[in-house]
Amino acid sequence: DSGVTQTPKHLITATGQRVTLRCSPRSGDLSVYWYQQSLDQGLQFLIQYYNGEERAKGNILERFSAQQFPDLHSELNLSSLELGDSALYFCASSPSGGSNQPQHFGDGTRLSIL
Amino acid sequence: AQKITQTQPGMFVQEKEAVTLDCTYDTSDQSYGLFWYKQPSSGEMIFLIYQGSYDEQNATEGRYSLNFQKARKSANLVISASQLGDSAMYFCAMSLMDSNYQLIWGAGTKLIIKP
Repeated sequence: DSGVTQTPKHLITATGQRVTLRCSPRSGDLSVYWYQQSLDQGLQFLIQYYNGEERAKGNILERFSAQQFPDLHSELNLSSLELGDSALYFCASSPSGGSNQPQHFGDGTRLSIL
Repeated sequence: AQKITQTQPGMFVQEKEAVTLDCTYDTSDQSYGLFWYKQPSSGEMIFLIYQGSYDEQNATEGRYSLNFQKARKSANLVISASQLGDSAMYFCAMSLMDSNYQLIWGAGTKLIIKP
């Protein structure tokens, strides 16, 4: 058990809909990362938050947004969903986001768009 | 360009044998971290081992060791005495100070341990 909690584990929805993925980091970790794993693109970094502030952005679509709340949990919002958004979405956390700190991953949310 | 290359898409290994999974990286940054993760068929991503660019000793964690050759820009994972439960996808990843430590991933190697 990594200590990172992601909900829901599975999500099935239709094109055009909006969903919210939730992540609770490990106790004491201030930094949260979101990654997308798809069959065609592999693993890609989406966005990082540190102590409530956005720190870095990767290949995140404009239809996607995220935030980190004062209690440090984070949510990833995906809107106007397309078939290509079907993927496994991971949240990871680390104490402060330094390179000498492993990122520990949640079990992921598997999103299927019908 | 910052890149991780894993040249072995798949590997079959006999149980109890040692296995080496290859990883090469490309960066001009001086400060970086190298990671290995395991992803079983159930989908979760499990951290295995970490090596910092300034670490002189190779990292070890139980049956896992990282063969770090900085001049060759390689960070191979060695699993000793493989077990059936080691069958999984293995990903090499790199974090860079100049990129706010986001992980850059290789394509992965699918390891299958034969009984």
